[in-house]
Amino acid sequence: SAVISQKPSRDICQRGTSLTIQCQVDSQVTMMFWYRQQPGQSLTLIATANQGSEATYESGFVIDKFPISRPNLTFSTLTVSNMSPEDSSIYLCSVAQGASDEKLFFGSGTQLSVL
Amino acid sequence: QKEVEQDPGPLSVPEGAIVSLNCTYSNSAFQYFMWYRQYSRKGPELLMYTYSSGNKEDGRFTAQVDKSSKYISLFIRDSQPSDTATYLCAMSASAGSARQLTFGSGTQLTVLP
Repeated sequence: SAVISQKPSRDICQRGTSLTIQCQVDSQVTMMFWYRQQPGQSLTLIATANQGSEATYESGFVIDKFPISRPNLTFSTLTVSNMSPEDSSIYLCSVAQGASDEKLFFGSGTQLSVL
Repeated sequence: QKEVEQDPGPLSVPEGAIVSLNCTYSNSAFQYFMWYRQYSRKGPELLMYTYSSGNKEDGRFTAQVDKSSKYISLFIRDSQPSDTATYLCAMSASAGSARQLTFGSGTQLTVLP
């Protein structure tokens, strides 16, 4: 399985600021995924980061709020912009592997608290 | 009604107990079923992956799928304190489609020594 390094592991930020989360994979992957995990709720897919094209955002998530970069096949960043306390959550990077990319592997996550 | 329902717990058991974790779902198109284990302050790790109905065993873990009842289970035999974690079920209608993967909200399990 892929080894996924995510940083920072946690951060405390002020309202109105932005935070960029980095995700590095030890092998080349076609798609990388960004998830949000709020307490007591299921994992929610924010967007799919495709190398060489714009990210695909899920309903309820927009590029202005969560801009994503994917400069190569092993790296991606997610920025949480103009943060509010409602953005406090765990953010997870994920990649798909397997014969049909059917299995998801996750990074260790970024615990974000917004004051 | 959520597409996937999972009892949030928390569930607390003594070491050596048999643990049963369950999820129900409403979408009859789901064919691929997964269980993830998430330790505190870590990302989820894939524990079991099954296709369609039936059982799959891996060491102390058994995944069971009953598509007729839209019900999946994860059994942990001889539970250990190291099994203390949150367990998430996940499912999809097609392989290789992470965008269609639906997660349960997780069951928090504590195994007491």
